[in-house]
Amino acid sequence: DGGITQSPKYLFRKEGQNVTLSCEQNLNHDAMYWYRQDPGQGLRLIYYSQIVNDFQKGDIAEGYSVSREKKESFPLTVTSAQKNPTAFYLCASSIGDIQYFGAGTRLSVL
Amino acid sequence: ELKVEQNPLFLSMQEGKNYTIYCNYSTTSDRLYWYRQDPGKSLESLFVLLSNGAVKQEGRLMASLDTKARLSTLHITAAVHDLSATYFCAVDVQDWGKFQFGAGTQVVVTP
Repeated sequence: DGGITQSPKYLFRKEGQNVTLSCEQNLNHDAMYWYRQDPGQGLRLIYYSQIVNDFQKGDIAEGYSVSREKKESFPLTVTSAQKNPTAFYLCASSIGDIQYFGAGTRLSVL
Repeated sequence: ELKVEQNPLFLSMQEGKNYTIYCNYSTTSDRLYWYRQDPGKSLESLFVLLSNGAVKQEGRLMASLDTKARLSTLHITAAVHDLSATYFCAVDVQDWGKFQFGAGTQVVVTP
């Protein structure tokens, strides 16, 4: 059963804490992406990776970090430097023309 | 700066009537995508438009692309309640998958 798995579904962050969002895909896709969605808005690109061990900043990378050590995995860390992290985070992967999205992680600040 | 503008941002539809959502973009691109998002859910791919004049249809939805006008339209025929969702267009800005999304059009279909 192929797809993109994001976990956890809900996440709460305390002040000054780093948190990591998981994204795993078994679609054998080379490219992976992280987006942030705020209420009533479109998706904004945080980071993307076209191949293992390589990634680039998107439009709003400040306060976030990623790694791409395996083709299947592209975790996103929301660092304490991100002062407004409350949002819906979506991971996607692609091969060819279409991006396929995971179910998302909703991050809130305690 | 690349801009992808959708309008309207909110659309209240009556069942049985026809409506159109517009997606304008400011860069040269011949790759445009339409997605659907239900509340609190992920994005579902609807259409992939890869050339000028491309037209795709699925059920009551039809999408088209005019790359010269930098315009895509999503036409809804005889709206039904199940089409209530937010619809996003996205432009592939570098031809390999770096998308720029519009703000989305929230559609509510009422009897």
